[in-house]
Amino acid sequence: TQLLEQSPQFLSIQEGENLTVYCNSSSVFSSLQWYRQEPGEGPVLLVTVVTGGEVKKLKRLTFQFGDARKDSSLHITAAQPGDTGLYLCAGARNSGNTPLVFGKGTRLSVIA
Amino acid sequence: EPEVTQTPSHQVTQMGQEVILRCVPISNHLYFYWYRQILGQKVEFLVSFYNNEISEKSEIFDDQFSVERPDGSNFTLKIRSTKLEDSAMYFCASDPFLAAGYTFGSGTRLTVV
Repeated sequence: TQLLEQSPQFLSIQEGENLTVYCNSSSVFSSLQWYRQEPGEGPVLLVTVVTGGEVKKLKRLTFQFGDARKDSSLHITAAQPGDTGLYLCAGARNSGNTPLVFGKGTRLSVIA
Repeated sequence: EPEVTQTPSHQVTQMGQEVILRCVPISNHLYFYWYRQILGQKVEFLVSFYNNEISEKSEIFDDQFSVERPDGSNFTLKIRSTKLEDSAMYFCASDPFLAAGYTFGSGTRLTVV
């Protein structure tokens, strides 16, 4: 079983602060995806990273895939209350039609 | 923006009853999935479906579960005889091509009593 460990589990910060959340595994993934999930809703895709060392930016969000493709990070600059939610990472084992393995998520709360 | 639509949004059923959860994936997507999320736990893979057949299934997807794409648009998950531990949010997802990133539906909250 391939596990994706996300840290921290919970994070509460003030509006305007920066934060980084992590997604780590002992296994190599062909690609890794980040999702955001609101209560009672399905996860919404934020980004897919496929190349070791890849960095992608989505407005104030910066995603990095580790060189060895075993880990990833999500950095949010100047967090806003609208960033509040559960951030999930999910990895694909290989490039075939294999299912995603999800982490348990980091629950972020941004206080105004 | 195209959506994955799931019905019903909530279903309450008695233990031992059959339930069918319905999904309409995005029309030009090729890969379809069912996942579930027990309250407070991680999203877990159930089954993937491609070219009108199951391509992979997890240990959770035992003989009580089945999937169908009866008419080329709907994608259903059937649980034949529900158990209390089947209570969860069930999410359908579709993918235009491998590892593109899933579009998830809003889920069906199944409560078995």
